[in-house]
Amino acid sequence: AQTVTQSQPEMSVQEAETVTLSCTYDTSESDYYLFWYKQPPSRQMILVIRQEAYKQQNATENRFSVNFQKAAKSFSLKISDSQLGDAAMYFCAYRSGYSNSGYALNFGKGTSLLVTP
Amino acid sequence: EPEVTQTPSHQVTQMGQEVILRCVPISNHLYFYWYRQILGQKVEFLVSFYNNEISEKSEIFDDQFSVERPDGSNFTLKIRSTKLEDSAMYFCASSEATSGSRDTQYFGPGTRLTVL
Repeated sequence: AQTVTQSQPEMSVQEAETVTLSCTYDTSESDYYLFWYKQPPSRQMILVIRQEAYKQQNATENRFSVNFQKAAKSFSLKISDSQLGDAAMYFCAYRSGYSNSGYALNFGKGTSLLVTP
Repeated sequence: EPEVTQTPSHQVTQMGQEVILRCVPISNHLYFYWYRQILGQKVEFLVSFYNNEISEKSEIFDDQFSVERPDGSNFTLKIRSTKLEDSAMYFCASSEATSGSRDTQYFGPGTRLTVL
């Protein structure tokens, strides 16, 4: 089974600064998808960004970008120009690309991001 | 923008009671999921549902759990006889497909279940 590891339980960043959240995963599959979800205090899970393993280009969504290193099995999230509203728990998730492995998202334990003024 | 909705937002029940958690997936989505998150822990997959049947389930999803799509819009999770350890946030999610750019799972706001 695939495992997703987020080694930083908590991170802190000052408003307008840049922060990087790390995520590593373990898989023997070559086709898969990776996601970052944000969970603010309301506890709703909000998709931040998505990456297909077969794409070499790193995904970006406005201030959010990823550094996808397939050989190293690393998928870090960079948040630029941090805003107070970015404060949340961030979860990295893995999903197999093979139908016989199912379509369940496998989540890491999360990183709590604090944004200070 | 279409979104997944869940009711109730908070459910309190006595141990041993049955509960039904309700979800309305995004209307053109075909794949439905339930996840749970015990307080302070990671989100865990329970079950996925497609074409009116379970397509995948985890070890957590034992005989106490069942899912149903009773009509064209609702997707429900039933816990037959709740235990204290069932206390958690339950998230419903849906996706349009399971491959390509349409496979993204969109989550509802969750139902907080408290078992006393």
